[in-house]
Amino acid sequence: KNEVEQSPQNLTAQEGEFITINCSYSVGISALHWLQQHPGGGIVSLFMLSSGKKKHGRLIATINIQEKHSSLHITASHPRDSAVYICAVYFGNEKLTFGTGTRLTIIP
Amino acid sequence: DAGVIQSPRHEVTEMGQEVTLRCKPISGHNSLFWYRQTMMRGLELLIYFNNNVPIDDSGMPEDRFSAKMPNASFSTLKIQPSEPRDSAVYFCASSYNSAYTFGSGTRLTVV
Repeated sequence: KNEVEQSPQNLTAQEGEFITINCSYSVGISALHWLQQHPGGGIVSLFMLSSGKKKHGRLIATINIQEKHSSLHITASHPRDSAVYICAVYFGNEKLTFGTGTRLTIIP
Repeated sequence: DAGVIQSPRHEVTEMGQEVTLRCKPISGHNSLFWYRQTMMRGLELLIYFNNNVPIDDSGMPEDRFSAKMPNASFSTLKIQPSEPRDSAVYFCASSYNSAYTFGSGTRLTVV
């Protein structure tokens, strides 16, 4: 069965802390997305990965194909980073399979 | 490009009424997806189209829901008759070669 697991489900941290959110999936994939959703807001694709590492500002996403694992890191976290972060993968078909999401709260 | 455009942004309707949600995908994207998001169930795929053809509608809850994509630049999701349990945020997304863009969503409230 194609499954996606995220951890942690909830994460609260102080402003400035380094944040890591993890995503594991059950079988080989063709691509993985990290999505961000602010409260009451739309869904934004932060990264699409099929290998290696990508960086955009304070956000870094990595993927290890052999270990079927991806991480999203946020450096120097800020209250505006508070959102739900969702890992979503393509298992070789057109559809995305979503993780359950990580609710991140950054306290000033 | 203006991204994926959904309308309306908010819809409040009475139970039993017909509701139509609209989506304009990004030009050149060949796949279009309709999702529903609730607190209880998270994001659920309702239906997706590839090159305007419905590929998988197994997520459509029941016959009250229908979706069409008459051309590459427009899709609708219709609920008839609407029920309070249909209250949710409905997202449309389009993609090309795994690159995915979501619309801003339509918040539907059925009273």
